[in-house]
Amino acid sequence: AQSVSQHNHHVILSEAASLELGCNYSYGGTVNLFWYVQYPGQHLQLLLKYFSGDPLVKGIKGFEAEFIKSKFSFNLRKPSVQWSDTAEYFCASPGNAGNMLTFGGGTRLMVKP
Amino acid sequence: KAGVTQTPRYLIKTRGQQVTLSCSPISGHRSVSWYQQTPGQGLQFLFEYFSETQRNKGNFPGRFSGRQFSNSRSEMNVSTLELGDSALYLCASSLESQGNGYGYTFGSGTRLTVV
Repeated sequence: AQSVSQHNHHVILSEAASLELGCNYSYGGTVNLFWYVQYPGQHLQLLLKYFSGDPLVKGIKGFEAEFIKSKFSFNLRKPSVQWSDTAEYFCASPGNAGNMLTFGGGTRLMVKP
Repeated sequence: KAGVTQTPRYLIKTRGQQVTLSCSPISGHRSVSWYQQTPGQGLQFLFEYFSETQRNKGNFPGRFSGRQFSNSRSEMNVSTLELGDSALYLCASSLESQGNGYGYTFGSGTRLTVV
């Protein structure tokens, strides 16, 4: 069965530090991948998505992710985090199962001012 | 445009009762999906409806059911509530008919507490 895993459950960074959150998927075929963010008390918002083409995907709020097929990875990056990036981040994929998303376990990011 | 609206926002129910949650998708969106979010299990897919038909179903017991109306609004029902059903229930709508998770917009969720 398809799965999506996130290595880091909790990450604490200081403002201006660089961020990289890991995400791995485990299925073949057509790969579609997403990163969502959930700010405290808010709904899930799409940060970026990969369907095909350029493996380096740029999203909103300065985030980007790189799809590396050989490593089954889709890591999220941001060069310099801000306090307002404090949130929970989810990697997700529909796999081969249609319009249903399989989510990773999430990573709680806390950015210290 | 209005987002995905879920009602109610908060709900407290007693074990053994049943509950119905509502989701109004973005106008024009025909696909509605439901997810359960808990600290222990994370986000898990419940089911998806498209044009009033259940298109996908996750691994949840039959106590969890749903339906979609002709105006694309959706409801999910949980019967014989258990303490473990306490969770944030999220609804997501999308325009996409092909089914690849593209273009999901999530609602703010209904926080269900079972006591």
